[in-house]
Amino acid sequence: AQSVAQPEDQVNVAEGNPLTVKCTYSVSGNPYLFWYVQYPNRGLQFLLKYITGDNLVKGSYGFEAEFNKSQTSFHLKKPSALVSDSALYFCAVRVLYNTDKLIFGTGTRLQVFP
Amino acid sequence: NAGVTQTPKFRILKIGQSMTLQCTQDMNHNYMYWYRQDPGMGLKLIYYSVGAGITDKGEVPNGYNVSRSTTEDFPLRLELAAPSQTSVYFCASSPPFPTDTQYFGPGTRLTVL
Repeated sequence: AQSVAQPEDQVNVAEGNPLTVKCTYSVSGNPYLFWYVQYPNRGLQFLLKYITGDNLVKGSYGFEAEFNKSQTSFHLKKPSALVSDSALYFCAVRVLYNTDKLIFGTGTRLQVFP
Repeated sequence: NAGVTQTPKFRILKIGQSMTLQCTQDMNHNYMYWYRQDPGMGLKLIYYSVGAGITDKGEVPNGYNVSRSTTEDFPLRLELAAPSQTSVYFCASSPPFPTDTQYFGPGTRLTVL
């Protein structure tokens, strides 16, 4: 079965430090991978996606993600965290040609402390 | 360009009542989706549509119905509200592959008592 796992419910990091939010996936076929962010009382906002090509994908607000096929991972990273990055982050996967749907992870709450 | 709009923002229902959650998008997207978000559970797909007149079930369709008479509108109907339907509901839309980034509305917080 297709699935996405976000192993950490919460990630805490000090402002200015690098951050990583982890995501692993399990799909048959080539995956399309996404990261979305949700600020309090708001809908999800698209951050970045991997379709094909370079394994390092750059997205909005200085975030980037690294696709690793051998480890079936798509971790979200940022070199220097901001307090304003504090939010709920969702990883999602869509399988090419097999479905029109996204499968979302359970979310990771990122807390950046001043 | 308003994007995806949802009404109402909040609603409290009694068990057995019915209601319709409205969703409208002005981006001329073919695909539209309804999700529910429960704490610690991520988003679960309720129904989706690939175009006017075409709808299909997602992961958790029981207790809900949808229709898609126009490209812009994708209402979600709850016929007999139950406490298990207390959740935050998000509507989303996307252009077809290969873009398929989904654009989300602000959500409707529904409580069933």
